[in-house]
Amino acid sequence: EIVLTQSPDFQSVTAKEKVTITCRASQSIRNNLHWYQQKPDQSPKLLIRYASQSISGVPSRFSGSGSGTNFTLTINSLEAEDAASYYCHQSSSLPFTFGPGTKVDIK
Amino acid sequence: QVQLVQSGAEVKKPGASVKVSCKASGYSFTSYGISWVRQAPGQGLEWMGWVSAYNGNTNYAQKVQGRVTMTTDTSTSTAYMELRSLRSDDTALYYCARHDTTSWWGAFLDYWGQGTLVTVSS
Repeated sequence: EIVLTQSPDFQSVTAKEKVTITCRASQSIRNNLHWYQQKPDQSPKLLIRYASQSISGVPSRFSGSGSGTNFTLTINSLEAEDAASYYCHQSSSLPFTFGPGTKVDIK
Repeated sequence: QVQLVQSGAEVKKPGASVKVSCKASGYSFTSYGISWVRQAPGQGLEWMGWVSAYNGNTNYAQKVQGRVTMTTDTSTSTAYMELRSLRSDDTALYYCARHDTTSWWGAFLDYWGQGTLVTVSS
């Protein structure tokens, strides 16, 4: 099973700051890494696919990068509505796995 | 528009079974797979398994293997997840989520149901 680790676990930031979340895989997953946002009491929402590909309707301040084992989700100029938990997910091998999540709070 | 609408909340006793449904609309049901993902209270996302709506192929996480069955009914565009021998640690919000392909490799989960809360309590 491929283990995904995320850092940090929690981040409290002020609006307009830049947020960087990392996701590390226990073995190479090429670019089969996707990012989701989950706001309180809502279902997860797809943010980024294949490590860096944008999703229609997702604000351009969200971007992703990386390949192999190291990946990054960046939120440029954080807005209040971005307060949420963020999860990475790999689909390179079964079983699918998710990272433990990063909670982003707005100061 | 694509929608996944799940069945309502369930309360079950330990040892019982639960069957959660996920009715799809707005797309060709048999052209995509469905994953089931659960989230225990205050915890992260846990993948349980997937089913191909094209041919019924399945793969389950080891943690629930032997207790779970995922199926589809193409006549009603509905996916089902049945979990047996329920335990208190099965208490969670259960989501269905659509794959972007009929298979699993490289798939991302582009649409999610609203979640079904399953509570296991004596």
